[in-house]
Amino acid sequence: RKEVEQDPGPFNVPEGATVAFNCTYSNSASQSFFWYRQDCRKEPKLLMSVYSSGNEDGRFTAQLNRASQYISLLIRDSKLSDSATYLCAVNIIGTALIFGKGTTLSVSS
Amino acid sequence: DTEVTQTPKHLVMGMTNKKSLKCEQHMGHRAMYWYKQKAKKPPELMFVYSYEKLSINESVPSRFSPECPNSSLLNLHLHALQPEDSALYLCASSQDRGQGGGYTFGSGTRLTVV
Repeated sequence: RKEVEQDPGPFNVPEGATVAFNCTYSNSASQSFFWYRQDCRKEPKLLMSVYSSGNEDGRFTAQLNRASQYISLLIRDSKLSDSATYLCAVNIIGTALIFGKGTTLSVSS
Repeated sequence: DTEVTQTPKHLVMGMTNKKSLKCEQHMGHRAMYWYKQKAKKPPELMFVYSYEKLSINESVPSRFSPECPNSSLLNLHLHALQPEDSALYLCASSQDRGQGGGYTFGSGTRLTVV
């Protein structure tokens, strides 16, 4: 079983839509959680950290459920510029940041 | 300076060549990482340096040899690579490996082995 599992999509949505991505992790030694955004042929860029209390940054909301070992990312009012691959990442004690396969989002007008 | 700088951006090398990838950060980060990313795949961890010492080698073949000359620099020496080693090689850094913070990635070196 992979350490971090993500639905690869693709998710094709119209502008203005709300879209949610999910990610599960298997290692209970996971200590911190992140969502990264990666544009085609570019490096991953940190979108936001994910906290148990949930956190919001503008149109983006991240949630963590430690009991279910599950993290999510909600994007509201999708923009064309949100089209990218979204990678969930888990920092596991004793190792380093491990990435899910990524979910591809395509927002169309 | 909040950047991780990688050079070169692109590299084409033959299977008998020796080349090096370079990575530099001036954020005072004490942990640095090498990742390899193939097309349509997530970044895969190769090496972790913490306080200039190699702390993790993810069973990477010996044709890849990392080096950390000082706290700001990380190199990846390449020798006798195979075409399947063609990939995007990403360097990253973080404040401290144990704190669990997010990583800052460089823009990567796109390597083609011919």
